[in-house]
Amino acid sequence: GNSVTQMEGPVTLSEEAFLTINCTYTATGYPSLFWYVQYPGEGLQLLLKATKADDKGSNKGFEATYRKETTSFHLEKGSVQVSDSAVYFCALGQKLVFGQGTRLTINP
Amino acid sequence: DTAVSQTPKYLVTQMGNDKSIKCEQNLGHDTMYWYKQDSKKFLKIMFSYNNKELIINETVPNRFSPKSPDKAHLNLHINSLELGDSAVYFCASSQDFGAGRNEQYFGPGTRLTVT
Repeated sequence: GNSVTQMEGPVTLSEEAFLTINCTYTATGYPSLFWYVQYPGEGLQLLLKATKADDKGSNKGFEATYRKETTSFHLEKGSVQVSDSAVYFCALGQKLVFGQGTRLTINP
Repeated sequence: DTAVSQTPKYLVTQMGNDKSIKCEQNLGHDTMYWYKQDSKKFLKIMFSYNNKELIINETVPNRFSPKSPDKAHLNLHINSLELGDSAVYFCASSQDFGAGRNEQYFGPGTRLTVT
């Protein structure tokens, strides 16, 4: 079946640092890929998505590229802010199989 | 306007009780979902309804019974609550699962604590 593996957290960075959160997947076919973000005490919000190979999803300075060759969808941001502190989930497919989540903390 | 709303936000109850969580979406979506998030933040789909028909039913104890009175509502009833049912339950909706338009919008969650 489909599965998603994210890098272990927690991740702690200083403001304006470069962020990468790794996500790799195993899947049948070429499902859509997503990144969701969960701020403290809230539900999940869609951050970005990609529906086919080589697509790049982007939103709020975050980017991720659908890499079929490496079965990856790594999340990147060039300069993080304190307000980016949250839990980030990689997910795939119509039934939304989620990774385990990566807690990100940005210090001022 | 809240797109996906859940009630209650918090629910504390004793083992053996029966409880319900309600979900409503005002997005005009055809598909609704229930997810369970455990204490380690792991999220797993439980059920999904499309146009009031059950389309996803994962390996969930039959003490859990979803009900969809109409497209805008999906309720979750839990019988004989157990300690292991303590979790945050999220409702979500998407435009049309069958057509692949499954960008999902989540509610704020219901934190269930069973004592």
